[in-house]
Amino acid sequence: NSKVIQTPRYLVKGQGQKAKMRCIPEKGHPVVFWYQQNKNNEFKFLINFQNQEVLQQIDMTEKRFSAECPSNSPCSLEIQSSEAGDSALYLCASSLSSINTEVFFGKGTRLTVV
Amino acid sequence: GDSVTQTEGLVTLTKGLPVMLNCTYQTTYSPFLFWYVQHLNEAPKLLLKSSTDNKRTEHQGFYATLHKSSSSFHLQKSSVQLSDSALYFCALNSGYNKLTFGKGTVLLVSP
Repeated sequence: NSKVIQTPRYLVKGQGQKAKMRCIPEKGHPVVFWYQQNKNNEFKFLINFQNQEVLQQIDMTEKRFSAECPSNSPCSLEIQSSEAGDSALYLCASSLSSINTEVFFGKGTRLTVV
Repeated sequence: GDSVTQTEGLVTLTKGLPVMLNCTYQTTYSPFLFWYVQHLNEAPKLLLKSSTDNKRTEHQGFYATLHKSSSSFHLQKSSVQLSDSALYFCALNSGYNKLTFGKGTVLLVSP
């Protein structure tokens, strides 16, 4: 069973609404990733953190998405103003280090923007 | 930039037959390749990984060999089971453990 816990499993938002999802990484894993998996099952990397610091992020993430991994709290990914094209499965993953170690995924939050 | 190509979108097979799912990659760095399997409504799970050239790696009956000369990491199994029906992704470590995924291959196994 996945030890990366994502909540909620399903999220429905209207266009223009904020959408926020959370992730508790596997215990002891300081590196956290967010991916978007679209309806065609394609993965898009969004952002990754090591502890509370951003390692990498794509342009889209900088503009409409915000993410954080505060110490002693769940990580979160928030879409400021949801668009229909944001409807997807958002997968959180974690790993023990940022160098060639196994990445463990959660079950995801399925966002539907209506 | 890095890329991963999976040529089959859908593979349908009868139980007991062998399967090979293709994966080729492009990277300018030393490659570290993975195969992940995702069952319906489940988290993607690591199936195999390798960074060693020409060495076969095996897990749960699946196996793959990284061939740097042909930039390939094909997934094989000698006899598929009904429970192998799932979505299979080949992925490449693109730095900081960020994974670049292929488009995925759906494997459907029928009785």
